[in-house]
Amino acid sequence: QKEVEQNSGPLSVPEGAIASLNCTYSDRGSQSFFWYRQYSGKSPELIMFIYSNGDKEDGRFTAQLNKASQYVSLLIRDSQPSDSATYLCAVRTGNQFYFGTGTSLTVIP
Amino acid sequence: DGGITQSPKYLFRKEGQNVTLSCEQNLNHDAMYWYRQDPGQGLRLIYYSQIVNDFQKGDIAEGYSVSREKKESFPLTVTSAQKNPTAFYLCASNPTGSSGNTIYFGEGSWLTVV
Repeated sequence: QKEVEQNSGPLSVPEGAIASLNCTYSDRGSQSFFWYRQYSGKSPELIMFIYSNGDKEDGRFTAQLNKASQYVSLLIRDSQPSDSATYLCAVRTGNQFYFGTGTSLTVIP
Repeated sequence: DGGITQSPKYLFRKEGQNVTLSCEQNLNHDAMYWYRQDPGQGLRLIYYSQIVNDFQKGDIAEGYSVSREKKESFPLTVTSAQKNPTAFYLCASNPTGSSGNTIYFGEGSWLTVV
């Protein structure tokens, strides 16, 4: 069974700090990896994707991928209260997408 | 504007009723998906379709049915056989092809059994 695992949290960080979110996946054949942000009662919105080992930066967000360890992470620098949400890790294997249960992040002003 | 439109946003179902959730996309995407999300839980795949007139069961297809008669439309019927249908339902689409292509979501539909 293909699985994507995340620490459900909740994770609390003070405003301006770095938030670190982690995700592991079980299928070595997985090709692409995505981070979504979901506010309460809303649908997920894409933050960024990564499919090569290493780091990928987009503004305050950095995704890190280590295929050997089957590990994906998301760093949020200079965290803002508006970043408070649930963050979903998603993995693409073939034409299917598998989602973790999400990590709840609270940024404290 | 391009996007995925789900309707209705809120729906109440009586015991024993079938209800249909609509999903329409004008993104010209080939693949479409239905997910279910329960409070505090991740997304679970109900059905997906890669092309018109073809669809496959996901992990929790029992009690649900779909059709894909047009590329832009992928309605989901929640049948009376689904014993615990109260959840947030998300329709999504994906252009397929490049592995970097991701999945985009509609705004979701809340279904409650009364």
